[in-house]
Amino acid sequence: SAVISQKPSRDICQRGTSLTIQCQVDSQVTMMFWYRQQPGQSLTLIATANQGSEATYESGFVIDKFPISRPNLTFSTLTVSNMSPEDSSIYLCSVEPDMNTEAFFGQGTRLTVV
Amino acid sequence: AQSVAQPEDQVNVAEGNPLTVKCTYSVSGNPYLFWYVQYPNRGLQFLLKYITGDNLVKGSYGFEAEFNKSQTSFHLKKPSALVSDSALYFCAVRGYTNKLIFGTGTLLAVQP
Repeated sequence: SAVISQKPSRDICQRGTSLTIQCQVDSQVTMMFWYRQQPGQSLTLIATANQGSEATYESGFVIDKFPISRPNLTFSTLTVSNMSPEDSSIYLCSVEPDMNTEAFFGQGTRLTVV
Repeated sequence: AQSVAQPEDQVNVAEGNPLTVKCTYSVSGNPYLFWYVQYPNRGLQFLLKYITGDNLVKGSYGFEAEFNKSQTSFHLKKPSALVSDSALYFCAVRGYTNKLIFGTGTLLAVQP
């Protein structure tokens, strides 16, 4: 299993500003994942973060808007840049230790942009 | 393409009655199937998974699910619902892309 600490748990931000979300895992993992859950919606994968290489972004998400860092095998950050009210969502980080195990999730960051 | 369908936005059930939350999937190759639960203001918690083996899998909190290959379904079940089971339930599939694809979620409401 893996225990993930994600912070902040929630924030209210002004439009045009940026917020960095941190995700700390209690064990080394190769890949970390960032998801967005818009109000009343399912989870959508933003990007996959590998240590030592650039993140791989899904269609509709770009690095300029959602820059990701992965400095080591236990930590990652997601920045939501130049925020607008449409960015109000829950953002979740996740790890999957291997193909046959389930994914583990952080508790999420509830972002409100005003 | 991989996809997961949860046809019911909400399921209502009386406490003590059996519950079923439906999930169907479409994926190439052998599917890896998962159920997660999300309580308000919380992340996702894992309930159970099917990778291989017995079609009936048992998970946390008394939940179980049956993998049906011919119907491409993986319905979540519990013999006796509790009010505390009220939450948002997500079905997910991992196929050949190795990415998790989530269904739209089903809100389970258990009435006392």
